[in-house]
Amino acid sequence: QQQVKQSPQSLIVQKGGISIINCAYENTAFDYFPWYQQFPGKGPALLIAIRPDVSEKKEGRFTISFNKSAKQFSLHIMDSQPGDSATYFCAASMLAGTYKYIFGTGTRLKVLA
Amino acid sequence: DADVTQTPRNRITKTGKRIMLECSQTKGHDRMYWYRQDPGLGLRLIYYSFDVKDINKGEISDGYSVSRQAQAKFSLSLESAIPNQTALYFCATSDLRAGRNNEQFFGPGTRLTVL
Repeated sequence: QQQVKQSPQSLIVQKGGISIINCAYENTAFDYFPWYQQFPGKGPALLIAIRPDVSEKKEGRFTISFNKSAKQFSLHIMDSQPGDSATYFCAASMLAGTYKYIFGTGTRLKVLA
Repeated sequence: DADVTQTPRNRITKTGKRIMLECSQTKGHDRMYWYRQDPGLGLRLIYYSFDVKDINKGEISDGYSVSRQAQAKFSLSLESAIPNQTALYFCATSDLRAGRNNEQFFGPGTRLTVL
């Protein structure tokens, strides 16, 4: 029940295309869903996050879509750029509890120029 | 992120050796975490601490120990390193006062190789 399943493991997209990464969770007590971006040689950094009281959150070219009934959420990168090439991790957390994150297994995105 | 520093950045050691990885932060955060990253497995929580007197085990604490020497310092020890502890290790911090904005700030990582 504590797992967060992430897919795909790797993704190759042409410049200007849409990148989509999906995550699914089981524990309905999770109430905070961040996405982290990690460049080679760096630590992960928060990209965008959503709470289950909204179905979508957009920040620039990055959008999280959230489906509470299906217990799924996804990251959409519009107009993907070579600079977006990185590893992306979804995560889930319970704000009312220990604030621990459960991370997905990561998606390595490569955007071709 | 220069606010969270980890030393060393790279370490090669032999099976059976004791190793300490150190983390320091200047963000004034009370919460600190140690994660391990392996290809295909993502980030897994080893230990976390919500203040100097509070230490908690994460998902994969076996073979590891931690010490919270001060609010700003959190170290991870491998008492007797083994090859399957070869991984990338990250320290992270978060701010209790942030409440619903539960962002974690990660250090640059330590790449540990156990031969």
